Order: sequence, then structure tokens, then C-alpha cells
Amino acid sequence: AQTVTQSQPEMSVQEAETVTLSCTYDTSESDYYLFWYKQPPSRQMILVIRQEAYKQQNATENRFSVNFQKAAKSFSLKISDSQLGDAAMYFCAYRSTAWAGSYQLTFGKGTKLSVIP
Amino acid sequence: GAGVSQSPSNKVTEKGKDVELRCDPISGHTALYWYRQSLGQGLEFLIYFQGNSAPDKSGLPSDRFSAERTGGSVSTLTIQRTQQEDSAVYLCASSSWLFGAQETQYFGPGTRLLVL
Repeated sequence: AQTVTQSQPEMSVQEAETVTLSCTYDTSESDYYLFWYKQPPSRQMILVIRQEAYKQQNATENRFSVNFQKAAKSFSLKISDSQLGDAAMYFCAYRSTAWAGSYQLTFGKGTKLSVIP
Repeated sequence: GAGVSQSPSNKVTEKGKDVELRCDPISGHTALYWYRQSLGQGLEFLIYFQGNSAPDKSGLPSDRFSAERTGGSVSTLTIQRTQQEDSAVYLCASSSWLFGAQETQYFGPGTRLLVL
């Protein structure tokens, strides 16, 4: 079974600065998807960014980018020019491409990000 | 277009009562997932629907939990004889298929269940 580990339960960043959230995972599969979801106090899980394991290029979405190191099984999220609205819980998630009855997501425990004005 | 919606937003119930939680997926999304988010266990998969059938029920924690989906759209998660450990946020997600591959899951705002 796959596992996802987020080793930073809480982090903080000054507004306009850059912060990196860490995620490692364990799998024996060669093809899979990785995601970062954001969950603000409203509870709505919002997709931040997605990475396909077969792609060598790191995914980027505006101020959000990832550092995907497949051999190291590492998938960190970098948030540039942090804004107050970035304050939320961030979850790293893994999804297999192999059919096992479903394509359920396996989540890490989350990192709570605070943004300091 | 409209996102995934869930109702009720919050539910308080007494131990031993039955509850029903509803999920309305994004129109056209045939895949639907239920997850549970609790303080102790984090985010856990409960059940997966493809259309009206549930090929993966492996995450349901006990036979008190059941779910159905009708018309390939709305899904209802039912918890019978609720226990205090059922208190959690129940999240629903839906996704579509593209060229034989399942796409990204999009989540609803969840239902917070409190069992007294």
C-alpha cells in the first residue's frame, strides 16, 4: 500500500515571501499522479496542482510550483509571493494509475500554513 | 459550471440515530468518491461509485455505513445507529473520464457530523 508523509504539521511565512511544503511518499509503482490540495477554514478542498509521474517537467500553476524528485519519492510545493489567502491546510495526495477497484486518493496528514501580514 | 454540492453543511445527532448525507456531483461526472476526515485518522477513503454501481466499498468502516447512488448522479451516505466515533467531516468528490483515464477529483464542501 502507498503511504504519504508530510513531516511539517505547521509552517508560517511572511506575506510576499516564499515557502516550501514537503511531501514524501512510498510506492512500488512506476506510474502515478501526485496532487496538492488546499483546504481553507471553509472546508472546501481545492486542487492546487497536479503532477504526472511520467512527466519529468515540474508542474507550475501561477505562484505555485512543485519540485518532483521521482527517485527520492519527494514532491514539495513552493508558494511564491505568499498572500493572506494562501493560509490553509495543505494536503499532499497520491493516486495510482493501476486499477484496483477505484482510483482513490491517499492523503498525507496535512500541513497548516499561516501567513503573517 | 456548478461544483460538487453537499447537504447538510452541518449535522448534529444523538448517539443511536440514523443520518443521511447527500452529495450532488458535478454534472456529467460518472465517478464519485466519499471520504471521511477526522482528527485522529486524517482523510480516509470510504467508497467509490462508477455510475450507479459501487465497485470499491473497501473503506467503509462497519456495516452501519452504506451508500447508494441513483440516476448516475446524486449519492446518499447513510450511517445507522450513529456512534460518537462517527463524528467527522464527510467529503464527497467527483471526477470524469477522458480517453479512458479518470481525471482529477473535485471536492464538495463537506458535511460536518457531530454525534452527541
